[in-house]
Amino acid sequence: GAGVSQTPSNKVTEKGKYVELRCDPISGHTALYWYRQSLGQGPEFLIYFQGTGAADDSGLPNDRFFAVRPEGSVSTLKIQRTERGDSAVYLCASSYDSRADTQYFGPGTRLTVL
Amino acid sequence: GENVEQHPSTLSVQEGDSAVIKCTYSDSASNYFPWYKQELGKRPQLIIDIRSNVGEKKDQRIAVTLNKTAKHFSLHITETQPEDSAVYFCGAETSGSRLTFGEGTQLTVNP
Repeated sequence: GAGVSQTPSNKVTEKGKYVELRCDPISGHTALYWYRQSLGQGPEFLIYFQGTGAADDSGLPNDRFFAVRPEGSVSTLKIQRTERGDSAVYLCASSYDSRADTQYFGPGTRLTVL
Repeated sequence: GENVEQHPSTLSVQEGDSAVIKCTYSDSASNYFPWYKQELGKRPQLIIDIRSNVGEKKDQRIAVTLNKTAKHFSLHITETQPEDSAVYFCGAETSGSRLTFGEGTQLTVNP
């Protein structure tokens, strides 16, 4: 079946602009995760959804970052007033359920803030 | 919160040799430890995982060992091949389902 998909694959924006990154999880997966990966580093946890609700958003760096999953499937990560330091690859992952279940990653969105 | 340390950061081996990558974690409540392989520009892909009720798991040329007392787990790749070259990340699942990853190991297998 189809894996996790993310759009766009690349996003270039200017400092101060607003961006939205989309994630389509594997069908039937109830848990969805967002991570951020900077060059040469491991993925860094941002937020985790179980169904429609954010079960853990403690990884969001500040209030410019927000994520939604209104119908328990597709999720959108929203970044306001982007800064150059936000440049990274944003990875989405999903799992059938939470708690020690395999997380399957999408290909990521490479965000570049000029 | 959880802290995961991974060593070495780079590892170069000859084809056919074994490779070992080690990780330590800080949260004794962590109970799930996956290993991901990431090729340049690609998504991380799970290669093996282990849960805290198991001490060792093997899948063909890949094995993982877990020492809960020492809070230490390792990835072992035997009979390495050039296509094993990639960055490998260890992870530890902490509160809820968040994964904390190590910094990664760049493995190079020389033909």
